[in-house]
Amino acid sequence: RKEVEQDPGPFNVPEGATVAFNCTYSNSASQSFFWYRQDCRKEPKLLMSVYSSGNEDGRFTAQLNRASQYISLLIRDSKLSDSATYLCVVLTDNYGQNFVFGPGTRLSVLP
Amino acid sequence: EAQVTQNPRYLITVTGKKLTVTCSQNMNHEYMSWYRQDPGLGLRQIYYSMNVEVTDKGDVPEGYKVSRKEKRNFPLILESPSPNQTSLYFCASLLTSGGNTGELFFGEGSRLTVL
Repeated sequence: RKEVEQDPGPFNVPEGATVAFNCTYSNSASQSFFWYRQDCRKEPKLLMSVYSSGNEDGRFTAQLNRASQYISLLIRDSKLSDSATYLCVVLTDNYGQNFVFGPGTRLSVLP
Repeated sequence: EAQVTQNPRYLITVTGKKLTVTCSQNMNHEYMSWYRQDPGLGLRQIYYSMNVEVTDKGDVPEGYKVSRKEKRNFPLILESPSPNQTSLYFCASLLTSGGNTGELFFGEGSRLTVL
């Protein structure tokens, strides 16, 4: 079983739609959680951290369920510019030694 | 401008011909790491370095070497490249002093093809 699993997609949604991505992780000792965004043929960039209490950044909402070892990302009012691959990332220690990346979920927002 | 710089960005080489991919960061980050990205597998860590002269294996270190003689540089060395090392490689750095924000800064990537 992979350490971090995501539905690869693609998710094809119209502009303005709400879309949700899920991610599961296997290591119950995981410390920190993040969503990164990767545009085609570009480097990944941090989108947002994920906190136990849930957190929101504009149209983006991230949730963590430690009991179920499950992370989610919700995007409201999708824009064409949201088209990208979204990577779920789990940090298994706080010294930066082990960032484990999921394979990514591809999103295409259509006009 | 804060950045991580990798070179070369694109390289086609032949089996067995030693090559080095350079990585340099100007943010005074302690932590640096190399990843390879292959379709369907996500980014996998090759080697990482917590600071100068401190390096350790990641998940897929076979066939690679690294060194960290200076804080800003973290070259990736393929002593005898093989076709299964054809991949997209990313270098990343992270500020770890003062708390780990989890924000890895990536270079633009180096696409390597081994024939």
